[in-house]
Amino acid sequence: EDQVTQSPEALRLQEGESSSLNCSYTVSGLRGLFWYRQDPGKGPEFLFTLYSAGEEKEKERLKATLTKKESFLHITAPKPEDSATYLCAVQDAGNNRKLIWGLGTSLAVNP
Amino acid sequence: EAGVAQSPRYKIIEKRQSVAFWCNPISGHATLYWYQQILGQGPKLLIQFQNNGVVDDSQLPKDRFSAERLKGVDSTLKIQPAKLEDSAVYLCASSSRGTILTEAFFGQGTRLTVV
Repeated sequence: EDQVTQSPEALRLQEGESSSLNCSYTVSGLRGLFWYRQDPGKGPEFLFTLYSAGEEKEKERLKATLTKKESFLHITAPKPEDSATYLCAVQDAGNNRKLIWGLGTSLAVNP
Repeated sequence: EAGVAQSPRYKIIEKRQSVAFWCNPISGHATLYWYQQILGQGPKLLIQFQNNGVVDDSQLPKDRFSAERLKGVDSTLKIQPAKLEDSAVYLCASSSRGTILTEAFFGQGTRLTVV
C-alpha cells in the first residue's frame, strides 16, 4: 500500500541549531515528491519538488534531498520564523497519479 | 499574481444543516483541487477538476458532499447534511499543468465547525 511517513512528529530547536526532517515513502513508482510549509490557520505553501534520486534543491536555510526511499529537509541555522508544520507529499506514477500526503512535522524554533 | 481565493474563512453550523464553500483559483490554472484537512493530519483529496471535468472524486462522500466547477474557473463545494465529523479545514488549491506532475498552490482555507 502506498504510504508516506514523516518523522519526527514534532521537533523543537534552538535558534541556530541545524537539523533534518525525514519523509519516507512507499509507492510503486515515484513521479515526484513535494515539500510544503504550513503556518497555523493558513494553507500549505509550496517549497520544493524533487523528481529523481540524487536530486537536491535549496532555498534560503532549507535544503531538500531525495533518495529512492526517502527525502530529507535539512534546516541550517534555523530562525524562529522557520517555525511551522512541514508537509511531504508523493505523487505515484501509477495509482491515477494521486498525491499521497504525510502527517507533517511540527517544527518550533526558540529564540 | 493573485493567489487562490476562498470564502468564507470560518463557518459554524449545526449538524444536519447545509453549507457551501467557494473557491476562485489562480487565473489560467486548469486544475482545481478540494482538500479536507483535519487538525493534526495531512490534507485529504476530496475532488480534483481538470477544467470543468472531474478527474478524481474517489474520496468524496457523495451521499453528502457535492462539488462543481463553473465554466472551468470558480468552484463550490457543498455539504448537505453536515455531520460532526465534517469539522475540518477545507482547502482549495490550483495548478497550471493539468494532471501532469506540478506543484499546487493553496488558498487560506475555510475552517468549518459543526456543532
